[in-house]
Amino acid sequence: SQQGEEDPQALSIQEGENATMNCSYKTSINNLQWYRQNSGRGLVHLILIRSNEREKHSGRLRVTLDTSKKSSSLLITASRAADTASYFCATDAVQGGSEKLVFGKGTKLTVNP
Amino acid sequence: EPEVTQTPSHQVTQMGQEVILRCVPISNHLYFYWYRQILGQKVEFLVSFYNNEISEKSEIFDDQFSVERPDGSNFTLKIRSTKLEDSAMYFCASSVEQGATGELFFGEGSRLTVL
Repeated sequence: SQQGEEDPQALSIQEGENATMNCSYKTSINNLQWYRQNSGRGLVHLILIRSNEREKHSGRLRVTLDTSKKSSSLLITASRAADTASYFCATDAVQGGSEKLVFGKGTKLTVNP
Repeated sequence: EPEVTQTPSHQVTQMGQEVILRCVPISNHLYFYWYRQILGQKVEFLVSFYNNEISEKSEIFDDQFSVERPDGSNFTLKIRSTKLEDSAMYFCASSVEQGATGELFFGEGSRLTVL
């Protein structure tokens, strides 16, 4: 099934360091999205990258997409304690007319002050 | 800023009871979704809804589940006879564009505990 899988499952870094999270998926996509979830809260959209894009920036976030490897990475630069959250990649499905966005298992990021 | 609101934030119910979770999507959005997240696990798609009908549902969304948009603003998820394994956080989402082509806006969730 169409699914993103994040790696690592958990990441602990010091404030000021960069955090890199990876996502792999199985089948062709139109776009890939990254979401953030604070503990016990709803998901918040961070960034969307389309299949014809290779890199996208938004503030301290940098997302890359390699469709040949079916993978994406999310880089958070100069991390802050407030970046502590779970980060999920989500992919759509090209075939079958599916409308749903499928989420991976997430990377739990802890930024220590 | 417009937001998706969900009620209740937490509901505790006995196994076998009916539960209705309510959502008010963003007013100009046309596509509505329910997802669930069992504690500490991934976010799972349940159902998508457009033009007053279900457009897609997952294998989780069996006959015990139903959705409704009763009055043009609310979007509800009903679980007819709850089971222990229905305990989870249920998230409503809405979007302007169809399905996965654009950003989904999520509510803060309704935590369901089935005893």
